Amino acid sequence: QQQVKQSPQSLIVQKGGISIINCAYENTAFDYFPWYQQFPGKGPALLIAIRPDVSEKKEGRFTISFNKSAKQFSLHIMDSQPGDSATYFCAASLPLGRLYFGRGTQLTVWP
Amino acid sequence: DTEVTQTPKHLVMGMTNKKSLKCEQHMGHRAMYWYKQKAKKPPELMFVYSYEKLSINESVPSRFSPECPNSSLLNLHLHALQPEDSALYLCASSHGAHTGRYEQYFGPGTRLTVT
Repeated sequence: QQQVKQSPQSLIVQKGGISIINCAYENTAFDYFPWYQQFPGKGPALLIAIRPDVSEKKEGRFTISFNKSAKQFSLHIMDSQPGDSATYFCAASLPLGRLYFGRGTQLTVWP
Repeated sequence: DTEVTQTPKHLVMGMTNKKSLKCEQHMGHRAMYWYKQKAKKPPELMFVYSYEKLSINESVPSRFSPECPNSSLLNLHLHALQPEDSALYLCASSHGAHTGRYEQYFGPGTRLTVT
């Protein structure tokens, strides 16, 4: 059973556009929701994260929106750049720190 | 500094070889993790060490043997692997259970090829 569902599987956005990736979960025990960015051949890098008591968190061009009642959260990348082209994973963590990953979204930003 | 280092970067081994992967962090983290990642898939958890004790083993075959010599080091000993074990092996660390801080930081990985 997949604990975190992520969509879309792939996303193509024009430079300067907004990239939106969505995730949903069922387990209400999750209390930490990070996003990871991974370039080919590299390890995942922690991009931004949110706790369920906050509805939105912004860091630069990256924003997480969190809807606790709907059990959904999303990543918005504003002014998308070709350098943002990577695979993005959402995840959810239980209080003891175990991460459950979504299946990933391959983002391509065209110049 | 949020760096986790892994060696080697690449490893090619035969099915009868014995090799080890190494991971190191100097962030004072007390939880360390091994993940396996296949192409175009998310990382899959293999083992978790919490305060230097093995706390999670995700039913990993015994040909993979983890070791945590101290709070900064994590090893993964490999023996009699199969070609399907070829993957990117990732190490990660975090502050640890009961700290309220869940950020996991990943190393660059070891690309393992089993021939």
